[in-house]
Amino acid sequence: EVQLVESGGGLVQPGGSLRLSCAASGFAFSDYWMSWVRQAPGKGLDWVANIKADGSEKDYVDSLKGRFTISRDNAKSSLHLQMNSLRAEDTAVYYCAKGGPSGSFDFWGQGTLVAVSS
Amino acid sequence: EIVLTQSPGTLSLSPGERATLSCRASQSVSSNYLVWYQQKPGQAPRLLIYGVSSRATGIPDRFSASGSGTDFTLTINRLEPEDFAVYYCQHYGSSRYTFGQGTRLEIK
Repeated sequence: EVQLVESGGGLVQPGGSLRLSCAASGFAFSDYWMSWVRQAPGKGLDWVANIKADGSEKDYVDSLKGRFTISRDNAKSSLHLQMNSLRAEDTAVYYCAKGGPSGSFDFWGQGTLVAVSS
Repeated sequence: EIVLTQSPGTLSLSPGERATLSCRASQSVSSNYLVWYQQKPGQAPRLLIYGVSSRATGIPDRFSASGSGTDFTLTINRLEPEDFAVYYCQHYGSSRYTFGQGTRLEIK
């Protein structure tokens, strides 16, 4: 059974940093692209970043380039998102998602809430 | 970047009825990278449809989808109580993923 379990969310002050993690199990993690997708309270879904199976390629939504960094550790089947210079508008539930067929996300974690507030 | 616009914003129907949800792209979707998800309150999204019309594993056949170019449709036949949720379409292209704003399917 595929499982994705996010951790690392919490309350952080504007300008602060946070590192999210996603522990993956139940599939060959090192064979798949992985992504982070976020959802602000009461809003829709927004893709944040993705990373190739071997970590050699990374893409980000343009608005977050330079502040967020995606990484992975295939030996530990884990995905990470380093978030710096956080702003109130970064407040959201952050989901880890597995790359699926035809540009889809076929499995999602339960999400971790990041709240940016003073 | 392709923008996806979903309509209607909210759809009110009764169990047993048919739901038709629309997703319109700002440019032609040249690849078949058009996806649909279902999301219930407090839950992560669930993959329903990928490649425009292929049902994901475990998705009942009352869910179907079609479309090409800029216009795509998700149809849910014989609505069950558990189908009332928010539905999102999503596109992948040029190393970018974009989502529609969602359609809320509510019980009438």
